[in-house]
Amino acid sequence: DQQVKQNSPSLSVQEGRISILNCDYTNSMFDYFLWYKKYPAEGPTFLISISSIKDKNEDGRFTVFLNKSAKHLSLHIVPSQPGDSAVYFCAASDLANRDDKIIFGKGTRLHILP
Amino acid sequence: AAGVIQSPRHLIKEKRETATLKCYPIPRHDTVYWYQQGPGQDPQFLISFYEKMQSDKGSIPDRFSAQQFSDYHSELNMSSLELGDSALYFCASSLTGGGSPLHFGNGTRLTVT
Repeated sequence: DQQVKQNSPSLSVQEGRISILNCDYTNSMFDYFLWYKKYPAEGPTFLISISSIKDKNEDGRFTVFLNKSAKHLSLHIVPSQPGDSAVYFCAASDLANRDDKIIFGKGTRLHILP
Repeated sequence: AAGVIQSPRHLIKEKRETATLKCYPIPRHDTVYWYQQGPGQDPQFLISFYEKMQSDKGSIPDRFSAQQFSDYHSELNMSSLELGDSALYFCASSLTGGGSPLHFGNGTRLTVT
C-alpha cells in the first residue's frame, strides 16, 4: 500500500510561472517530509524539507507547505525555470520513532515549457 | 563537496549469476541506505546500516545481502539473479540524529539478461 502518493505523474508549466507539485500521505506517524529532484542518470538530489511542527518552509524559489490535518504537502516553485524540468519525488519519514529511512512517492515529472 | 560514490555505474549479468554493488558514503556519515528503483517505479527501501550494524530492513529478497564495513563503505550482494532484479540501485548516506536528509549516489544500473 502506497504510503506516499503523488497522483500526478506529470505536469507542464510555462517558464516563469508557478509550478505546484502535490503529495498526499497516509501514515499519520510521518513527521518529516522531503522533496527530492531527479535528473536522468543521476541519483535523487535533496531539495527541501519540512518538519511536522511547521506548516511552511521556504528556500529561495522553493516553498513547501504542509497541511497535517489533510495529510497533504505541496512544493511550489516560483518562478519556474528550464532547469527545473526533472522528476520530483515527495518523501516522508517517522523520525520520532527513530526511523530515518524515507518512503518515496512515485514521482511527478515536471516539464517547464519555453 | 564529496558525494556518495557508487560503483559500478552499470552492470550486466545473466540470470542466476551474482552481483556486488559498492557504496562509499559521504565522509562522517554513519548511516547507509540501499534503495531499488524499477522502471517507472518509485525508489523502494531495501536495507540500512548504522555504525556497521543493520538498522532496518525493507523489501529486500532473501537472495540479497548487504553489509557495512569498518570504513563505512557498504556492499550489496545479489545472488541467483532474476530478470526482475533489473533496476537502478541507489545508495544513500546520512548523519543520524534526526532531520538529516539522505544524500544519494548516482546509482548502479543492473541489467539481468
